[in-house]
Amino acid sequence: RKEVEQDPGPFNVPEGATVAFNCTYSNSASQSFFWYRQDCRKEPKLLMSVYSSGNEDGRFTAQLNRASQYISLLIRDSKLSDSATYLCVGPYYGGSQGNLIFGKGTKLSVKP
Amino acid sequence: EPEVTQTPSHQVTQMGQEVILRCVPISNHLYFYWYRQILGQKVEFLVSFYNNEISEKSEIFDDQFSVERPDGSNFTLKIRSTKLEDSAMYFCASSRGTVRPPNEKLFFGSGTQLSVL
Repeated sequence: RKEVEQDPGPFNVPEGATVAFNCTYSNSASQSFFWYRQDCRKEPKLLMSVYSSGNEDGRFTAQLNRASQYISLLIRDSKLSDSATYLCVGPYYGGSQGNLIFGKGTKLSVKP
Repeated sequence: EPEVTQTPSHQVTQMGQEVILRCVPISNHLYFYWYRQILGQKVEFLVSFYNNEISEKSEIFDDQFSVERPDGSNFTLKIRSTKLEDSAMYFCASSRGTVRPPNEKLFFGSGTQLSVL
């Protein structure tokens, strides 16, 4: 049973485009989600937290839709440097405490 | 800005050998983690550690794996007898502990690429 699922892409978009990714989750009790960015063969780096209804940081907006159990990430005015894999991260409560699990990631390629 | 540091960046070993991967978490963080990522696959949780003991572990973290915090700064992952399928990037992470897992963001080290031959 997969806890967090993402469209793997790749999304190929021109510079300046707006692009959106979705991530679905299976545990309706989940409250905290994160979007991480991972460059090729590098560590995941936190992009945004999504705790309640949403979060906005510059060109990036994350939304949490509890009714439909998905999280979205919107990137406006895409830059070449936005090319990366975007990882949706959510809680998994299979054990005693819970831990964060990662989606497979959505690959974004921004072209000039 | 404080960061999680990992050594070595690359480790090559023969099948059946023991390896120890080292991490220095951010100094005031309370929770420590190991994740791994096999090439082309997703980041997978291995184990979390709090208050000098394992707080959670995945099915991957079998008897071949162990973790230790030998002093106040280092956090290590030991693989007793490596297999070919242990080849992966191993990431150490830490979190502040102001909110209990899994509701808190993780800070990752740059990883150790383990190659088992």
